[in-house]
Amino acid sequence: ETGVTQSPTHLIKTRGQQVTLRCSSQSGHNTVSWYQQALGQGPQFIFQYYREEENGRGNFPPRFSGLQFPNYSSELNVNALELDDSALYLCASSRSTDPNEKLFFGSGTQLSVL
Amino acid sequence: RKEVEQDPGPFNVPEGATVAFNCTYSNSASQSFFWYRQDCRKEPKLLMSVYSSGNEDGRFTAQLNRASQYISLLIRDSKLSDSATYLCVVNNRSGNTPLVFGKGTRLSVIA
Repeated sequence: ETGVTQSPTHLIKTRGQQVTLRCSSQSGHNTVSWYQQALGQGPQFIFQYYREEENGRGNFPPRFSGLQFPNYSSELNVNALELDDSALYLCASSRSTDPNEKLFFGSGTQLSVL
Repeated sequence: RKEVEQDPGPFNVPEGATVAFNCTYSNSASQSFFWYRQDCRKEPKLLMSVYSSGNEDGRFTAQLNRASQYISLLIRDSKLSDSATYLCVVNNRSGNTPLVFGKGTRLSVIA
């Protein structure tokens, strides 16, 4: 177990709805990264949060937004859901923003958009 | 050309076999390289980092060829428990994406 927990584990939404996914980072980790993994694909970087600020963003539209709280837990919000948003959403925490730092992944949230 | 490319497989091999996966990357400025393992519908887990001099961890050997921009993973004496998807990961240290994952290579070890 990595100590990174995500909730919920599964979620079903319909097009146009909004969703919030949550992640608790491992103790001592101040950096949280979010990834989207569609079926048959590798994880795609959405964004990273460090000390409550966004610290880098991948090629995702503004309807993907996030937050990090003082305890370093994080939320991923997706507005106006589209069918293509169906994927496994992974949260990973690390001790710093150094890309060489080991990532500890949570088990993910499986989102299905109908 | 995709930043990180892998043969998706599947590779179906018998127990005890040796199997090798390759991965190519497009950014010559890439600085760090990793192999992650992902079991079906689970989270990725770091298998090993890949160093310029090559490195070995038990039955697993990783190699880096900077000139040709590819990374390899060799698994000797395959076990049933090695069945998983193996993700090649590259750190570009530039742009907005700290780590770039390949699509993964699926391995099935058969009894």
